[in-house]
Amino acid sequence: QKEVEQNSGPLSVPEGAIASLNCTYSDRVSQSFFWYRQYSGKSPELIMSIYSNGDKEDGRFTAQLNKASQYVSLLIRDSQPSDSATYLCAVGSPGGNNRLAFGKGNQVVVIP
Amino acid sequence: GAVVSQHPSRVICKSGTSVKIECRSLDFQATTMFWYRQFPKQSLMLMATSNEGSKATYEQGVEKDKFLINHASLTLSTLTVTSAHPEDSSFYICSASAGRNQPQHFGDGTRLSIL
Repeated sequence: QKEVEQNSGPLSVPEGAIASLNCTYSDRVSQSFFWYRQYSGKSPELIMSIYSNGDKEDGRFTAQLNKASQYVSLLIRDSQPSDSATYLCAVGSPGGNNRLAFGKGNQVVVIP
Repeated sequence: GAVVSQHPSRVICKSGTSVKIECRSLDFQATTMFWYRQFPKQSLMLMATSNEGSKATYEQGVEKDKFLINHASLTLSTLTVTSAHPEDSSFYICSASAGRNQPQHFGDGTRLSIL
């Protein structure tokens, strides 16, 4: 089983709609969870950090964490064409070496 | 806050040249810095992890004599691609973390093209 899985294929959403991305992880003792956005040809950019169960909102982004079920999700409200990118789920390694395990990413395309 | 600067952004050079890439955390002290490589339309691939003042930890399959990493201070790490060949052409990205359970902040990346 991969450490971090993002299984859905490319996600197309109309402008103004909600984009929903899901991620599961295998290490039950993981404590830190992140979402990164990566535009084509650019490096990843941190958009959300979450450490506790529940929801965390930042602008149009909401991260949701459920440690019991080992999943973390990202909602993008009022999707804009500028949100079109690949979104990477990352989980902190409990081993203390500050490493992150990344999912393969989900491509989001917002259609004007 | 949490700005990571990476230079140069693009390098084009002849086969056999050694190329040095710098990664600096501008507004925080990075206990750990990371070097990744990414080929087009593929996932990030971790090459090595470096901590200030100690030897880098390389991932399996990454040649440490080929990819020299120096982490001289809490704000600077360098990656030197020695005797680069066309197969080393890729997008190299550094990141820095302020500590345990902290996010990694990425530099803008270096696009390396070896002719």
